[in-house]
Amino acid sequence: SAVISQKPSRDICQRGTSLTIQCQVDSQVTMMFWYRQQPGQSLTLIATANQGSEATYESGFVIDKFPISRPNLTFSTLTVSNMSPEDSSIYLCSVGRLAGVQDTQYFGPGTRLTVL
Amino acid sequence: AQRVTQPEKLLSVFKGAPVELKCNYSYSGSPELFWYVQYSRQRLQLLLRHISRESIKGFTADLNKGETSFHLKKPFAQEEDSAMYYCALGFYSGGYQKVTFGTGTKLQVIP
Repeated sequence: SAVISQKPSRDICQRGTSLTIQCQVDSQVTMMFWYRQQPGQSLTLIATANQGSEATYESGFVIDKFPISRPNLTFSTLTVSNMSPEDSSIYLCSVGRLAGVQDTQYFGPGTRLTVL
Repeated sequence: AQRVTQPEKLLSVFKGAPVELKCNYSYSGSPELFWYVQYSRQRLQLLLRHISRESIKGFTADLNKGETSFHLKKPFAQEEDSAMYYCALGFYSGGYQKVTFGTGTKLQVIP
């Protein structure tokens, strides 16, 4: 398994500002993923972050709005830029230890973001 | 497109009763299916995956390719099974592995 921590655990922000969420893993992992879970909805994949390459964004998500860094095999950040109330959500980091669709994903505790 | 459907938002059962959480998927390739669970105030975690053919906490799930289903079952519900359950599909897209989640079913076990 993998132990994942996220910072901050929650935040309340003003519209127009940006927030950077950190994801730290206790061991080196190949795949890191960022999800958004809006109130009452399921998890939506924002992007896949692999070390040493650009993040791959899903339809509806763009790098200017959600820039991601992956400087090494144990750490990643997601920035939510120019926030609006519609960005209020739980943001989750997850990791996969192996490459392959049969791999289990391990999830962080999430960051609960409220935008006023 | 890949899709996972969980038709029930809430399922309430009495303790000791059988449980079946429904999951249907659409995917043209060979599916990799998972059930994830989120207990109150805990993080999302894997419950089981079809490739392992395992039983975890008394839960089982069988992949039925004909019906494109992966229903989660338990013969006798326990109070500690109350949680949010997500069915998920792993697949490749554009050379990248991804997972798509269903909308989740909240299981409420009544004492």
